[in-house]
Amino acid sequence: DIQMTQSPSSLSASVGDRVTITCRASQSISSYLNWYQQKPGKAPKLLIYTSSSLQSGVPSRFSGSGSGTDFTLTITSLQPEDFAIYYCQQSYSDPWTFGQGTKLEI
Amino acid sequence: QVQLVQSGAEVKKPGASVKVSCKASGYTFNSYAMHWVRQAPGQRLEWMGWINVGNGNTKYSQNFQGRVTISRDTSASTAYMELSSLRSEDTAVYYCARDWKIDTGSHYYYAMDVWGQGTTVTVSS
Repeated sequence: DIQMTQSPSSLSASVGDRVTITCRASQSISSYLNWYQQKPGKAPKLLIYTSSSLQSGVPSRFSGSGSGTDFTLTITSLQPEDFAIYYCQQSYSDPWTFGQGTKLEI
Repeated sequence: QVQLVQSGAEVKKPGASVKVSCKASGYTFNSYAMHWVRQAPGQRLEWMGWINVGNGNTKYSQNFQGRVTISRDTSASTAYMELSSLRSEDTAVYYCARDWKIDTGSHYYYAMDVWGQGTTVTVSS
């Protein structure tokens, strides 16, 4: 199985900050990398697909980059509604696997 | 609008089975595969398997091999996930999620673009 490791596991930030979350795969996954946002008690929401493509309706302050084994999710100008847990996920091979999550808190 | 609505919370005893449903609306059910993902309390998301809704083919994570069965009823636009031989570690929120196949012209990529609201399954004696 491909292991996905995110860093940091938690992150404190303020409204208006720029933050970056990193995701590393245990082997190359090309651009088969998606990012999800999850708020308490809610289902995950797709933010970024194919490493850098913004899902429809997602604000442009979210962006993704990377290929191979190293990926980043960047949020510019944090808004109050952005405080949540973020997961990376690989769809390169079965079983699909997720990172452990990064909790973004105030 | 595109929506996946799951069945309600379940409480089961160890050794029992649970079957969770996921009713789709707002799109052509047969045209998209369906995944099942679970999340135990405080844990990361865990992919369980998926079904090609069109032909019924399934693929399961080895972590659940032999215990999980994913099926669908195309006439009811509903997918199902049944987990047997339940143990306390199976206490989790179970989600269905639609498979989105992205054609870039040179490659196909995949993501889960629509999720159900989740079904809490509690396993307790």
